[in-house]
Amino acid sequence: GESVGLHLPTLSVQEGDNSIINCAYSNSASDYFIWYKQESGKGPQFIIDIRSNMDKRQGQRVTVLLNKTVKHLSLQIAATQPGDSAVYFCAERSFQGAQKLVFGQGTRLTINP
Amino acid sequence: DAGVTQSPTHLIKTRGQHVTLRCSPISGHKSVSWYQQVLGQGPQFIFQYYEKEERGRGNFPDRFSARQFPNYSSELNVNALLLGDSALYLCASSLANLNTEAFFGQGTRLTVV
Repeated sequence: GESVGLHLPTLSVQEGDNSIINCAYSNSASDYFIWYKQESGKGPQFIIDIRSNMDKRQGQRVTVLLNKTVKHLSLQIAATQPGDSAVYFCAERSFQGAQKLVFGQGTRLTINP
Repeated sequence: DAGVTQSPTHLIKTRGQHVTLRCSPISGHKSVSWYQQVLGQGPQFIFQYYEKEERGRGNFPDRFSARQFPNYSSELNVNALLLGDSALYLCASSLANLNTEAFFGQGTRLTVV
């Protein structure tokens, strides 16, 4: 069945350090992956996406890596800031005639001053 | 421009009651999806509507229903509420049916007592 999971439910890093959040997915047919950030009391906020024909994509302070061989996705955040503290979800798009996103459980990232 | 707006923001209902949640997509977006997010978990897909037609349905009982109006706003209805229906209900809008980028609202926090 479909499942998107995360290796580590919590992650604490020092302000200014880089952080890496990992995600495993099971549907080898998925062609599109997204990372969302969710702050307390808010809906998920789009961070960065990547298509299955890519291995790496960079944004502002964020990089997503996709390893299709082992079905692994990661989000790298450079020079973390207090505002980066949130729960991060990876999601994969499941094509079943509809745009259905399958989310993982999430990783809580805490930035320590 | 306004983002995705959901109402109400918070709601308390009693078991067995009925609830209606509302969502207004981003102007110009024709696709609306609904997700249920139980505390501590990632969002779970409930429905997707595009051009007023249901395009996808998740693994939820028939107590859950939805519809989309000509102005592309949407309602999610839940009948015979159970304690387990307590969750954050998220609405996401997209430009088209299979458009990849989904924008989420802040959600409606439903508590069933």
